[in-house]
Amino acid sequence: QSALTQPASVSGSPGQSITISCTGTSSDVGSYNLVSWYQQHPGKAPKLMIYEGSKRPSGVSNRFSGSKSGNTASLTISGLQAEDEADYYCCSYAGSSTYVVFGGGTKLTVL
Amino acid sequence: EVQLVQSGAEVKKPGESLKISCKGSGYSFTSYWIGWVRQMPGKGLEWMGIIYPGDSDTRYSPSFQGQVTISADKSISTAYLQWSSLKASDTAMYYCARLGMGATGEFDYWGQGTLVTVSS
Repeated sequence: QSALTQPASVSGSPGQSITISCTGTSSDVGSYNLVSWYQQHPGKAPKLMIYEGSKRPSGVSNRFSGSKSGNTASLTISGLQAEDEADYYCCSYAGSSTYVVFGGGTKLTVL
Repeated sequence: EVQLVQSGAEVKKPGESLKISCKGSGYSFTSYWIGWVRQMPGKGLEWMGIIYPGDSDTRYSPSFQGQVTISADKSISTAYLQWSSLKASDTAMYYCARLGMGATGEFDYWGQGTLVTVSS
C-alpha cells in the first residue's frame, strides 16, 4: 500500500504557527476520522501527539491540534518552541485488511 | 505506569535467524493489541503487523507477510518478532507499540526500540 503523502520539511520561527499536511485517499484518510500524529526526536521512539483526528493524549500540549478535510489531514503547532523541532509522522486507519498506513514523515525545523 | 521494554541490539550475519522481544507492564497485557514498526536508517515508519496477546490473533502488513513472524507469550507479558533467515535489508530499528483500546490505529505507548544490524 502507498504511504500517506507529507511534505519533506517545514520550518517556522519561535512563536509562529505551522501546519503539516497528510494526504491520503478515499480508502484511508477520507473514509475514517482515525488519523494519528507522532513526534520523533533524533534517536528516540515516536510519541503519540494526536489520535482520532483531533484528540490529544493526556500530557500533550494544547499547542498541538489536528483536523481533516476530505482526504487530507493536518497537524497544526501553534506558538512554536525550540523543543518542537523533530520529525512528525501521520498515520491513518485503512480498514481491517490493510489496517494502518504511515506517512513518509516531515522534518520540522524551528529557525 | 505503562511500559514496553524491548530486548537489546543485535548484530547478525545474513541467513541467520533472530527473535526480538517486547515485554509489557503496568497494564493488562492480554487486553491490548501490540504492533511492530520498522524504521530503516534515515527513513520513515512502516507498520509490520499486530498481535492480540489474549488469543494470539495476528494481522500482517502485506509488505511483511511471509517475511517475519509475530507471536506472544501472555504468561510472561511478552511479544516477539522473528526472522528465519535475515537479509542485509532487514537492518533497521524495530519498535513495538501498544494500540489504544479502540484498536483503530493509534499507537499510544512505544518501546525504546531494538536496533538490528545484518552484515557479513
